[in-house]
Formats: sequence, structure tokens, C-alpha cells
Amino acid sequence: KQEVTQIPAALSVPEGENLVLNCSFTDSAIYNLQWFRQDPGKGLTSLLLIQSSQREQTSGRLNASLDKSSGRSTLYIAASQPGDSATYLCAGDSNDYKLSFGAGTTVTVRA
Amino acid sequence: DGGITQSPKYLFRKEGQNVTLSCEQNLNHDAMYWYRQDPGQGLRLIYYSQIVNDFQKGDIAEGYSVSREKKESFPLTVTSAQKNPTAFYLCASSIFSSGKLTDTQYFGPGTRLTVL
Repeated sequence: KQEVTQIPAALSVPEGENLVLNCSFTDSAIYNLQWFRQDPGKGLTSLLLIQSSQREQTSGRLNASLDKSSGRSTLYIAASQPGDSATYLCAGDSNDYKLSFGAGTTVTVRA
Repeated sequence: DGGITQSPKYLFRKEGQNVTLSCEQNLNHDAMYWYRQDPGQGLRLIYYSQIVNDFQKGDIAEGYSVSREKKESFPLTVTSAQKNPTAFYLCASSIFSSGKLTDTQYFGPGTRLTVL
């Protein structure tokens, strides 16, 4: 079963700084790696999906990379804004193709 | 306006009661899922369904039951057998291509269940 870890659990940065969020997983035979955003008390919103054949995906200020050999994915958010404050979760599939989620990194962007 | 709806937003349960959480989607997705989220933990899969009239247990199915009589609906019942049901419950759906469940999942707004 895929195990997913996100460190740190919380992060606070000043507005304008670039954000780097880390995700590690145990099974390198990953099919998809997904990044989600969750606002307090809300559901999850999909940000980026990286297939195993890809090394990165980009959407606006967001860029996510996938390194299967090291078991790591990184989400970069350029020029952070207070509106980026949220919890960011990563999730990867396991051999049975079900998603395993990390506990998330809660980001606070200070104005 | 396509999406996933969950109701109610807040639900309170007394000890020994069964309660049912609603999940409806109009995205024409084949696959639907129920997750439980506890503070400081990742989402854990309760049940999932790939097609109508079929569903499978996830990692923490004990004390829960589901049905999938319609493509659009996947209700979750939290039974009295679930000893610690207080949590945030999230429903999701996705397409189901090539037998893979891990296409992009779309989530509902969640239901917060509290046991009194």
C-alpha cells in the first residue's frame, strides 16, 4: 500500500515569497500523483495531476514535479499571495489504483 | 452547473443511531468514493463504487454501509457499529477509464458529523 508523507505540517511565509511544498511516497511504481487544495471546512479542489510518464505539470503560478526514483513530488507556488493560504494535500495511487493521501501542509501567507 | 453536492453540511448523531449522508453528482462520472478526514490525518477511503449496483470496501469500511442504485447517487450510512464516527466526510467522483481509479477526483463540500 502506498504511504504518503508531507513535511512540514505547517508553513508561514511573507507575501511574495515562493512556496515549496514537499511530498514523499513509498512505492516508486506510482501511477498518478495529485495535488489538492483544501480551504477550512471545505472539500478538496484538484490543482495538478502528474502521470507516471511525466516529470512535471504547470498551471499558472503552480508547478509540480515528480521524481519516482527518489519517491518525491514537489509543488512550487510562485510569488505567493494571501489567497494562497490553505491546506495542500498530495495523493498517490497504490498497486490497487486507489489514492493514498498525505496529511497535508497548512500554508499561511502573511500580508 | 455541474458538480457534487453533499447534504447535510452538519449532522449530529446520538449514540446508537444510524445516520445517512447524501452525495449526488451530475458530472456523469462512473466512479464515486467516500472518504473520512480526521484532524492531522490524510483522507482515508471508506467505500468506492466503479459502476451502478457495485461497490467495494476501502481501508476503513467497518461500521459503514453504502448503496449505488443510481449513477448519480452514492449515499453513506454510518451505523451504530461505528464506534468513533465524529469526523469530516467527503464524497468524490471521477471518470473510470481503462480500469484505473486514479483519474482526477472531484470532491463535494463535505459533511461534518458529530456524535452527541
